[in-house]
Amino acid sequence: ILNVEQSPQSLHVQEGDSTNFTCSFPSSNFYALHWYRWETAKSPEALFVMTLNGDEKKKGRISATLNTKEGYSYLYIKGSQPEDSATYLCASSNAGKSTFGDGTTLTVKP
Amino acid sequence: EAQVTQNPRYLITVTGKKLTVTCSQNMNHEYMSWYRQDPGLGLRQIYYSMNVEVTDKGDVPEGYKVSRKEKRNFPLILESPSPNQTSLYFCASSLAGLSGNTIYFGEGSWLTVV
Repeated sequence: ILNVEQSPQSLHVQEGDSTNFTCSFPSSNFYALHWYRWETAKSPEALFVMTLNGDEKKKGRISATLNTKEGYSYLYIKGSQPEDSATYLCASSNAGKSTFGDGTTLTVKP
Repeated sequence: EAQVTQNPRYLITVTGKKLTVTCSQNMNHEYMSWYRQDPGLGLRQIYYSMNVEVTDKGDVPEGYKVSRKEKRNFPLILESPSPNQTSLYFCASSLAGLSGNTIYFGEGSWLTVV
């Protein structure tokens, strides 16, 4: 079983703040790293899939980086908005098996 | 509309009564997978399927069965449900495995076993 850890567990920020959180995963036998956004009462929504060391992905105000050699990925949100409030999950996978972290729950206060 | 559809969305059942949660995707995806989500434990993979007639165990397969007789469907079978299988279940699919491919989740099925 791959051990995936996310920190912090929860985060409260003010509207307009920029924030970031971490996903740590075993660097040996790395295959792919996924980020998801999960709102209450909805299903997880894919944000990014990254496979190469040094990968950087961006979608609007959200971006992610990947370091496969040291086994971590950062998710950044620039200028947080209340609608960014959600749980952000990361998962490390091979071709078929995936292991999720417990998520970081972000609350953005207006 | 591209989607992953699960049924039922909500179910309360009794211990030992066999049940099936269906999952269907309309995106011609090769890969499908089942997860359960429990408080404090995050999403855990139950079974996955790389293609038709190919299924493999995830991290928590005990008490579950799956089948993949056709590409679009991947039912989750609980032969003899027990209260510890009370959980929120998600089905997911992707084009071809998890390497570099976006995974799409269904809306979830809340299952309570009493």
